[in-house]
Amino acid sequence: GDSVTQMEGPVTLSEEAFLTINCTYTATGYPSLFWYVQYPGEGLQLLLKATKADDKGSNKGFEATYRKETTSFHLEKGSVQVSDSAVYFCALINRGGADGLTFGKGTHLIIQP
Amino acid sequence: DSGVTQTPKHLITATGQRVTLRCSPRSGDLSVYWYQQSLDQGLQFLIHYYNGEERAKGNILERFSAQQFPDLHSELNLSSLELGDSALYFCASSGLSTGTDTQYFGPGTRLTVL
Repeated sequence: GDSVTQMEGPVTLSEEAFLTINCTYTATGYPSLFWYVQYPGEGLQLLLKATKADDKGSNKGFEATYRKETTSFHLEKGSVQVSDSAVYFCALINRGGADGLTFGKGTHLIIQP
Repeated sequence: DSGVTQTPKHLITATGQRVTLRCSPRSGDLSVYWYQQSLDQGLQFLIHYYNGEERAKGNILERFSAQQFPDLHSELNLSSLELGDSALYFCASSGLSTGTDTQYFGPGTRLTVL
């Protein structure tokens, strides 16, 4: 079946550091790929998405490129802020969306001032 | 605010009991998905309804069931509860039932089984 693998962390960085969170996937067909963010005590918010190979999703300074050849969707940000501290989930959806999202285990990101 | 509402926010109950979680999708959204988030299993897809019809089942136990009503709100019923059912339960809605449509998540219901 489909699966998503991401580094679990916690990942601790200083403010203004460069961020990379790796995400790789296994899926049949052509999935859509997503990054969701979860702040403490809240639900998941969509951060960005890409629906086909070579698409780049971007939002709030975060970006990720759908790489079919390496089955990857790594999340990057050039300069992180304390407010970026949260749990980040990589996810995919397949089969026309019927089966729901398949999530990675989440990466806990801690940004220190 | 995603526009998806879930009630109750917290639920504490005992083993063997039955509970109902409620989800109201964003206005106009036809699809409702249910997910369970636990420390050991992570986020898992449970079930998907589209315009009142069941579309797909994921890792949903036989003790769990769901339905979507004509006004498009959905309920997740959990019965014969066990300690291991303690988790956060999220619903998400989307306009369509395709792989490219964004799912918007509610704030979740935290279920504690004692």
